[in-house]
Parts: sequence; C-alpha cells; structure tokens
Amino acid sequence: DAGVTQSPTHLIKTRGQQVTLRCSPKSGHDTVSWYQQALGQGPQFIFQYYEEEERQRGNFPDRFSGHQFPNYSSELNVNALLLGDSALYLCASSLGQGAKTQYFGPGTRLLVL
Amino acid sequence: EDKVVQSPLSLVVHEGDTVTLNCSYEVTNFRSLLWYKQEKKAPTFLFMLTSSGIEKKSGRLSSILDKKELFSILNITATQTGDSAVYLCAVVDGSGAGSYQLTFGKGTKLSVIP
Repeated sequence: DAGVTQSPTHLIKTRGQQVTLRCSPKSGHDTVSWYQQALGQGPQFIFQYYEEEERQRGNFPDRFSGHQFPNYSSELNVNALLLGDSALYLCASSLGQGAKTQYFGPGTRLLVL
Repeated sequence: EDKVVQSPLSLVVHEGDTVTLNCSYEVTNFRSLLWYKQEKKAPTFLFMLTSSGIEKKSGRLSSILDKKELFSILNITATQTGDSAVYLCAVVDGSGAGSYQLTFGKGTKLSVIP
C-alpha cells in the first residue's frame, strides 16, 4: 500500500525565485492538504484541495498557490521566495473532504538563500 | 484564532521511565484531537480522540481527552530509546464549510537516554 510521497526531498533556491513541490496521496485518498513546518515549530496549515479545488486556506499570502490533478496528486507553488519561506513542507492526504485523520508524507526541505 | 499549547516543550528521561505529555486547546468548532509522532520528517499518526473520558491505547502508549477542561494527555510507559521523537498534538476545527484543517501545537521533544 503506497503511502504519501513527495518530491523533491531537498531543494535550495535563492530569494525571488519560484518553486514547485509535488505530492502523491496515499492510495485511495482524494484530499490533499499542505503544511509548512519551520524549525522547532509545529506544522502550519497552508491549504486543502478536494475535487481539484482549493477548499480551505490558512493564513498564507497569495504567493502560495496550488493545484490538484484528476489523479488526486497535488502541487504547491511558491513565488517570489523569501528567506522566511525556508522550512519543511509537508503534504497530508485523507479520504473525503471532511476526513479528520490525515496521513503525512516525508516532506520537502526547502532552503532559501 | 485556534490555539494549541503543548507542555513541556522538551523532556529528557531514562529508559524505563513513564512520561506524560500535555496538550491544551482553544478551538472555535472542535471536532477531534490527534496525536502524531515525528522522528525525522513525516509525522506518523498515533491516536484520534473525539469523546471525553475514553482512553485510547496502543501498546505502551495511551491517550485521553477532557472536552470540559479542553486538554488531552499522552502517556508512554516503560520508555525505550525508540520513543525519542517530537510528539505533536493537533486539533481539528470543523468551521470551514465541510473542510477540516489541523491546528498543531509546537510539539514536545522527548529524549530517552539508555
């Protein structure tokens, strides 16, 4: 049973650049949520995708955008990168928009220089 | 604004000790509380609690929720070095028109010394 997968595992960018992170949900899941985890902090909710639409959004600027594809995989895009965007980006999947239990992928570690 | 506070932030114990991790919360529309263990990167699911007073148990780990006092505890008995990790508490807020987001605490970093 394939769990949640994310790519790439690590990424280094410079300020002002753009980045795209990818996530494939656990087999059978249709909902993807994205979280940002800064060092020493708990994950912070960015947004959730269900049926290819953004359903809910946390307190993140418009520089953070996403997409969900018909096969339920998802992308997180961040434009105009700032040093403060350096973090571990976690993707979590669940079955159904209202599912309470989310299963996490290994994350993408982004470093912005 | 939803708020989740975990304590202590870090803890060092010896193998065989019993530990209690705390999580208090303030949520507009509480649905459930979840505990995760994070060793390297991916938080792994431990428990989901929705009802007060019902203990969830898995091996040496157990957890209980008090919805009146708005807190949960996670107990680990006979700790082992493999229990060393960050333990995250998250609450599910159901205010978002059918969509459920997790609000996390900062985590408790547990270090178990041989």
